[in-house]
Amino acid sequence: EVVMTQSPATLSVSPGERVTLSCRASQSISTNLAWYQQKPGQAPRLLISEVSTRATGIPARFTGSGSETEFTLSIDSLQSEDFGVYYCQQYNDWPPLTFGGGTKVQIK
Amino acid sequence: EVQLVESGGGLVQPGGSLRLSCAASGFTFSSFSMNWVRQAPGKGLHWVSYITSDSVITHYADSVTGRFTISRDNAKNALYLQMNSLRDDDTGIYYCASRSAPFRHWGQGTLVTVSS
Repeated sequence: EVVMTQSPATLSVSPGERVTLSCRASQSISTNLAWYQQKPGQAPRLLISEVSTRATGIPARFTGSGSETEFTLSIDSLQSEDFGVYYCQQYNDWPPLTFGGGTKVQIK
Repeated sequence: EVQLVESGGGLVQPGGSLRLSCAASGFTFSSFSMNWVRQAPGKGLHWVSYITSDSVITHYADSVTGRFTISRDNAKNALYLQMNSLRDDDTGIYYCASRSAPFRHWGQGTLVTVSS
């Protein structure tokens, strides 16, 4: 099973700041990595697939990068609507499909 | 517009059974694989099961293998999850998610609570 590890667990940031979230895979997953955003009481929403391809309607301030085992999600000029929990997911070697434990982005 | 609407959740005792449903609309359901994903209270996302468009192939997380069965009815645009021998740690919100990963569309989820 590919284990996905996200860091940090929690980030406290102010609106307007740049944020970088990390995701590490226990083995190479090529570029088969997605990022999701989840707000309280809502279902997850796909942000990025294939490491860096933004989903429909996702603003350009969200940028994904990385390869093999190390990946990052950057959010430029954090907006109030960006607060929530972010998950990475690998879909290279499955079953099982696996998610990281999440990074909570909260207001400082 | 793609819509996925889960139902069938509720309170059940350990060892009991539940059948979840997911009603799909806004896309050609019969052409796409489907998944169930679980989220325990206050916890992260955990993939549960997968089924191909023609029901030929199914996959399960180790934690549910032998207890849960995924199925679908393409004529009714419906996805199901039969859950037997339920345990406390099966408690959570169950989402259906469309297509193979990455999951572009999710339902709002249905809450399953396993407790005596």
